[in-house]
Amino acid sequence: GNSVTQMEGPVTLSEEAFLTINCTYTATGYPSLFWYVQYPGEGLQLLLKATKADDKGSNKGFEATYRKETTSFHLEKGSVQVSDSAVYFCALSGGDYKLSFGAGTTVTVRA
Amino acid sequence: EAGVAQSPRYKIIEKRQSVAFWCNPISGHATLYWYQQILGQGPKLLIQFQNNGVVDDSQLPKDRFSAERLKGVDSTLKIQPAKLEDSAVYLCASSLKSGSGQFFGPGTRLTVL
Repeated sequence: GNSVTQMEGPVTLSEEAFLTINCTYTATGYPSLFWYVQYPGEGLQLLLKATKADDKGSNKGFEATYRKETTSFHLEKGSVQVSDSAVYFCALSGGDYKLSFGAGTTVTVRA
Repeated sequence: EAGVAQSPRYKIIEKRQSVAFWCNPISGHATLYWYQQILGQGPKLLIQFQNNGVVDDSQLPKDRFSAERLKGVDSTLKIQPAKLEDSAVYLCASSLKSGSGQFFGPGTRLTVL
């Protein structure tokens, strides 16, 4: 079946540091890949997505590239802010359109 | 545009009691999902509705969990009787149709004592 493995947290960074959260997946066929973010006290929000190999999703300074050869979709941001503190979830959706989530990575950015 | 609404936001019950959660999806969204998110894990799909019909309930523990979406709009998820391991956040999401982007509500945090 489909599954997602993402880097364990928590991750603590200083403001303006570089952030990367690793995500790898197992799926049959050609899934769509997503990053969701959950800010404290709020629901999950779609951060970015990519639907085919070599696509790059980007939003709010975050980027992730769909790498089929390494089955990866790592999330990166060049300079984080305190407001980026949240839990980040990698997810995939296969032919049945069901979302399979990773366990989440808690990111804390210190001023 | 109003988002997905859920209530209550928090609920504390004793084991073996019953509890119900309510979700109102985004207007016009035909597909509605209920997820269970246990602490430290990603959300797990419990049930998916297309209008008022069940598309997938393969992960729903049907001996104690039930859900309905009678008029194809809002939905209720019920647990009866609750167990300690049901402590989790219950998320509702909706999408325009199956396969389109899902929008999540704020969730209901359930604590079973």
